[in-house]
Amino acid sequence: EVQLVESGGGLVQPGRSLRLSCAASGFIFDDYAMQWVRQVPGKGLEWVSGISWNSATTAYTDSVKGRFTISRDNAKNSLYLQMSSLRAEDAALYYCARAPYGSGSFADYWGQGTLVTVSS
Amino acid sequence: DIVMTQSPATLSVSPGERATLSCRASESVSSHLAWYQRKPGQAPRLLIHGASTRATGIPARFSGSGSGTEFTLTISSLQSEDSAIYYCQQYNNWPTFGQGTKVEIK
Repeated sequence: EVQLVESGGGLVQPGRSLRLSCAASGFIFDDYAMQWVRQVPGKGLEWVSGISWNSATTAYTDSVKGRFTISRDNAKNSLYLQMSSLRAEDAALYYCARAPYGSGSFADYWGQGTLVTVSS
Repeated sequence: DIVMTQSPATLSVSPGERATLSCRASESVSSHLAWYQRKPGQAPRLLIHGASTRATGIPARFSGSGSGTEFTLTISSLQSEDSAIYYCQQYNNWPTFGQGTKVEIK
């Protein structure tokens, strides 16, 4: 069974940093690209970032470019999102998702999400 | 960015009736269109990809159609467990989502 479990969310002050993690199991992790997608409570979904199976390709939505860094450790079956210079508008539920056809494809499995709150 | 527009915002349908959800892209996305179902407190669930291919384990009452800029998700006989918000997503370019259609059971 495919499982994606996010962690690392919490309350952080504007301008500070936070690192999200996603532990994957139930599939061959390094066969797949991965993504982070977020949802502001009560709002729609927004693709944030994607990474290819071998980390050769990464991509970001414009609003997080230069502030967020996606990475993965295939030996640990883990995906990460390093978030810096956080803003109030980055507050959201962050989902880790598996992308079967590349970092910019649809996502076939999603985690339950980890909540990031940005407030002073 | 490609803008995805879903209609209606809310759809109220009786059990056993057909529900038809629409999604329009601001430019052609070919068949690179997916549909997701999201229930409160749950992760999004992939229903359809490639505009019309049902994902693994998705009941046959869910079907997708369209190409280019106009797409439809049809639930042929609505069940109570289908109450949810449905999102379309294009992935012809970097992914973008529609704002969602809430399906309510009448």
